[in-house]
Amino acid sequence: DVKVTQSSRYLVKRTGEKVFLECVQDMDHENMFWYRQDPGLGLRLIYFSYDVKMKEKGDIPEGYSVSREKKERFSLILESASTNQTSMYLCASNRGQPDEKLFFGSGTQLSVL
Amino acid sequence: GESVGLHLPTLSVQEGDNSIINCAYSNSASDYFIWYKQESGKGPQFIIDIRSNMDKRQGQRVTVLLNKTVKHLSLQIAATQPGDSAVYFCAENIRSSGSARQLTFGSGTQLTVLP
Repeated sequence: DVKVTQSSRYLVKRTGEKVFLECVQDMDHENMFWYRQDPGLGLRLIYFSYDVKMKEKGDIPEGYSVSREKKERFSLILESASTNQTSMYLCASNRGQPDEKLFFGSGTQLSVL
Repeated sequence: GESVGLHLPTLSVQEGDNSIINCAYSNSASDYFIWYKQESGKGPQFIIDIRSNMDKRQGQRVTVLLNKTVKHLSLQIAATQPGDSAVYFCAENIRSSGSARQLTFGSGTQLTVLP
């Protein structure tokens, strides 16, 4: 089975802190994604990467950056955390076309105080 | 803007009954659709997917129906069990960049199975 592992299940940070969310997948997938999930809004794409060192903005990239130095690892960075970034963050990966289904991690619930 | 939506945010069914979860989409160019199940405290899990060249696809106890004429997608769960209680999301591909499809998700339907 594909495993997507997010380093933290819960995180509490203060406004202005730099926050790193880490994600690792073990199936040699080409593509990796970061979503945030908020009640009533579903999952919204922040950034994705289709290759090492490659990244593209999703629908809500403002306030975030990403890093993909190795194929299996995709990091989400909050340069200066704000309270409106309190959310559930979900990492996902897939092999790419034609196999497009995403495999998700268990999520990181981030609270910014 | 275009988005994937759901007809009902909550659905309650009796154990053993069939469940039908609906989803409307607005992008007529979408050619791939997928259903996920998310249990409390867990990440979304893949249930079933369908491409636009199909009208119906069946899995184990689940069936997805696609009506491109009215841009409607549904997930049918046969003989609903307590373990089916979860939030169900539909998603469609909106655009692609290289090999990376960008799925757009609906806001989800909470399915509750009553004993």
